[in-house]
Amino acid sequence: DVKVTQSSRYLVKRTGEKVFLECVQDMDHENMFWYRQDPGLGLRLIYFSYDVKMKEKGDIPEGYSVSREKKERFSLILESASTNQTSMYLCASSLRSYNSPLHFGNGTRLTVT
Amino acid sequence: QKEVEQDPGPLSVPEGAIVSLNCTYSNSAFQYFMWYRQYSRKGPELLMYTYSSGNKEDGRFTAQVDKSSKYISLFIRDSQPSDSATYLCAMSDMGRGSTLGRLYFGRGTQLTVWP
Repeated sequence: DVKVTQSSRYLVKRTGEKVFLECVQDMDHENMFWYRQDPGLGLRLIYFSYDVKMKEKGDIPEGYSVSREKKERFSLILESASTNQTSMYLCASSLRSYNSPLHFGNGTRLTVT
Repeated sequence: QKEVEQDPGPLSVPEGAIVSLNCTYSNSAFQYFMWYRQYSRKGPELLMYTYSSGNKEDGRFTAQVDKSSKYISLFIRDSQPSDSATYLCAMSDMGRGSTLGRLYFGRGTQLTVWP
């Protein structure tokens, strides 16, 4: 069965800290995505990657960066965490096809204090 | 204006009711339409998938696409308390290059089915 694993379920960090969110998929998918989900705003795409070392900005990339050194792993980096980055972060993966569904992890609830 | 609009609800119905969830979109290039279901504290899971206009049925669920009106619907018959979740519509175009495979999501509709 398809599996997308996010390293942490809950995370509490302080303002200004550098934060790493890790995501691993076991399906040999080319595409990987990072979203944040906030009440009333839905899913918003931060960054995505269509191949190793390749990345594309989504709709809200400011304050974030990503890294994809291996096909199965996609990391989201908050260079200097701020309170407005408190959110649910969801990782997803898919085949590189226009009709391929996304497979999501169960999310990381990040709180920045 | 977002490319995909979806009423966030919340929607609360009694068990056994017929539920109608809807999305509208503005990009006529969208060809593939999906519905995801998200239970509390879980990631979204694919529920149904349709291509272009028409209906698709899967058990108690029916997905409908009207491309001329840029409108998609999900109907749930004989709704059950276990259907209580957030439902997100998503769509994709025949993207090329780096955006191939990107989905565009609605905000999600929160549904509660009470016994």
